[in-house]
Amino acid sequence: KQEVTQIPAALSVPEGENLVLNCSFTDSAIYNLQWFRQDPGKGLTSLLLIQSSQREQTSGRLNASLDKSSGRSTLYIAASQPGDSATYLCAVNTGGFKTIFGAGTRLFVKA
Amino acid sequence: GAVVSQHPSRVICKSGTSVKIECRSLDFQATTMFWYRQFPKKSLMLMATSNEGSKATYEQGVEKDKFLINHASLTLSTLTVTSAHPEDSSFYICSAEQGDLNSYEQYFGPGTRLTVT
Repeated sequence: KQEVTQIPAALSVPEGENLVLNCSFTDSAIYNLQWFRQDPGKGLTSLLLIQSSQREQTSGRLNASLDKSSGRSTLYIAASQPGDSATYLCAVNTGGFKTIFGAGTRLFVKA
Repeated sequence: GAVVSQHPSRVICKSGTSVKIECRSLDFQATTMFWYRQFPKKSLMLMATSNEGSKATYEQGVEKDKFLINHASLTLSTLTVTSAHPEDSSFYICSAEQGDLNSYEQYFGPGTRLTVT
């Protein structure tokens, strides 16, 4: 059974700091992994999608990596800003219409 | 990028009534749509998967008679919460899959906050 774990559960950093969010999954047989952002009371915003054949994806200040063999993904946020404060979720797609979400990391960037 | 909308964004209803939530893919055809439920400070839990023109597949523990899902077209799926109770209050999010077998990327709607009084 696929399980997705995100560490840390919460993170508070000063503005401008670079930070890394971690996601681990127990079964390496995945089709893709997605990172999402969720603002309080809002839906999900897709940040980055990494296919199983890819190692990383970049978008602006965000970089996501994927190591299938070790069951890990990281989301790197460069030069964090207060507007980055949100909950970040990772989700793995195991095929067969199954997407398993982690519990998320709540990020707070202090001005 | 692909856009998925949900309506309504917020709904308050009285206990015992039914509420319908719509999920639409605006600029693509979604062969598969998913309904998720999120409890406060918890992750999303998949409730059911629906394919256009066929019955939805419900996850274990989800009452199919309570959460009616209809996927009548390639751009519309509806979730009806029947005889709602306060414990049904939650944030409901739908997503749609474009049907590209090489991608399996899901596009998420903005969510619907249901409050049952």
